[in-house]
Amino acid sequence: DQQVKQNSPSLSVQEGRISILNCDYTNSMFDYFLWYKKYPAEGPTFLISISSIKDKNEDGRFTVFLNKSAKHLSLHIVPSQPGDSAVYFCAATRKIIIQGAQKLVFGQGTRLTINP
Amino acid sequence: EAGVTQSPTHLIKTRGQQVTLRCSPISGHTSVYWYQQALGLGLQFLLWYDEGEERNRGNFPPRFSGRQFPNYSSELNVNALELEDSALYLCASSQRDNEQYFGPGTRLTVT
Repeated sequence: DQQVKQNSPSLSVQEGRISILNCDYTNSMFDYFLWYKKYPAEGPTFLISISSIKDKNEDGRFTVFLNKSAKHLSLHIVPSQPGDSAVYFCAATRKIIIQGAQKLVFGQGTRLTINP
Repeated sequence: EAGVTQSPTHLIKTRGQQVTLRCSPISGHTSVYWYQQALGLGLQFLLWYDEGEERNRGNFPPRFSGRQFPNYSSELNVNALELEDSALYLCASSQRDNEQYFGPGTRLTVT
């Protein structure tokens, strides 16, 4: 049962344009969502997160949007740069206040290629 | 500040053997997580240790086990290796929030 889905295995975008990566989830108990970026032969790097009490979080060129009713989140990168070429994973979890961090459930990833 | 470190970087083992992978978290982080990324698959949660105790476990057989030491470093042990255990094993640490920071991984090949 794939609780977090990234339906686009790959995405190609022109340098300078906007990249939009999508993610859907099925578990309504998830209340915290994260995006990670992964280069080959490296571990994932944390990019940006959003709590379910918000619908938008912005950090520089990266913005994450959350639509709880649709159980959908997206990552916008603008403007896209060649160094953004990587695999992007969305992840979801349920925060338990007392115990803190929980396991992350990851999507399958989307390979983003930025063309010069 | 040093990041999460893992050793070894690459490992080749034979079916039926046992393997131990090691992880050192970021200083100040008490939680360590292990994930498996098999070829063509996403990251699958394996184990979560916090303050020396196993807090949560993914859908993996008991031959996957581990422990966390008093200095918060961690080991992942896999017994009776099978071909499908070939994967990138990633360790992450956190300071009791959900921003897990990952190490570079250990690439395990089982032949």
